Parts: sequence; structure tokens; C-alpha cells
Amino acid sequence: GESVGLHLPTLSVQEGDNSIINCAYSNSASDYFIWYKQESGKGPQFIIDIRSNMDKRQGQRVTVLLNKTVKHLSLQIAATQPGDSAVYFCAENKGSGTYKYIFGTGTRLKVLA
Amino acid sequence: KAGVTQTPRYLIKTRGQQVTLSCSPISGHRSVSWYQQTPGQGLQFLFEYFSETQRNKGNFPGRFSGRQFSNSRSEMNVSTLELGDSALYLCASSPANYGYTFGSGTRLTVV
Repeated sequence: GESVGLHLPTLSVQEGDNSIINCAYSNSASDYFIWYKQESGKGPQFIIDIRSNMDKRQGQRVTVLLNKTVKHLSLQIAATQPGDSAVYFCAENKGSGTYKYIFGTGTRLKVLA
Repeated sequence: KAGVTQTPRYLIKTRGQQVTLSCSPISGHRSVSWYQQTPGQGLQFLFEYFSETQRNKGNFPGRFSGRQFSNSRSEMNVSTLELGDSALYLCASSPANYGYTFGSGTRLTVV
């Protein structure tokens, strides 16, 4: 399928290593954040979310860290696998009642065999 | 259960024409959002509907419109198509306003 973004920052990681994908968000009023994974030719797939009253949330092989002081999110993927190769987006919801999400530009993760 | 279904998957239109894209949300989901995705601009919010009411709209010209039906299905329409409207149009649904599930999108090419 057509690439999601032609000039995305790319993170190359060896299979089995841990990956850390970073995202800076724009609005200190944002209170809900989501990480999405998008594979070629598909729509974004929900990975994990976190609310602003939390600093860390863990899922299966994934952890999201939220630093509200510097408005920074990170997604950590443990034991990265070839199937993790995709573009990863963070999305912020700018406060209750706005009903829209602002997406980051995305990071392409390449897993090297 | 079935996911978010978008039709058609691919579409080619000529400049000046109009187009209607369809989205069937996950059963029970009442919130439907639309996004435009392009390599240059990334994912851009178009609008969101809940119970047939538009609750928020992104910064797109009036040529972009949408609606939601009583069964939560949604359509978006783009009139007077321009080359720059070529994009992947994504629909997402949610029970309320969190944890949106996306469809695979409709790829629109304007020639």
C-alpha cells in the first residue's frame, strides 16, 4: 500500500531489542492520550491509552509514559518483533467536550532481523 | 464483532466532481469521527458526530460536509473536488469519546 508519510522520522531497532518512540504534545489542557499503530494499507490501530491523572500505563509488551511537565509521551515496546514494523502516532484529546483528537506526525519503526 | 466498515475502498474522481463516502461504525458505537490523511499533513480532523449531531468540526472548507443517520452510520461529502483532496479518508467510531476504532479508509484520488 501507499506509504503513510514520505518523510517521517524513522527508528530502526534490532529484533528482540526494546523500542522507545517519543511524542511531544501541544496543549497542556489535553487530558487523554492514545497511541496508534498504522500498517501499510490499513487504518490506525489502537495500542494503548492514558489519562492525564496517570504517569504510566502498561499493556502487553507496551508501556506508555506521560510527563505533563514537559508535555511529552513515550511508547515503549519490549522485545520488538518484525510485526511491530509500522508507523506509530500519538493522539491527544484537548480536554473534555472537544470531541476531536490531534495526531502527531508519526514515527516509522523498522525492525531489523 | 464487525469492525468499522468504510466504502468504497478506492475511488477515482475528476476535478470538479463531488463524492460521498460511507462509514458503518461498530454496533453500539454512537460517536463517529472523520479524518483526512495525507503524506504531507498527516492525520487531520474533519468532524465528529454523535446521535446525528455534529459536535465538532476541523479547519476544512465548506466543501467538506458530513452527516450521521439514526442508526449511527455516517457519510461525508466533498463537493467541487480539487487535486489536493486526494487522500486517505478515515472513519473512526467510539461508544463515547475515547478509544476510537478506525476503519481501513477510503483512498480518494482526484485527477
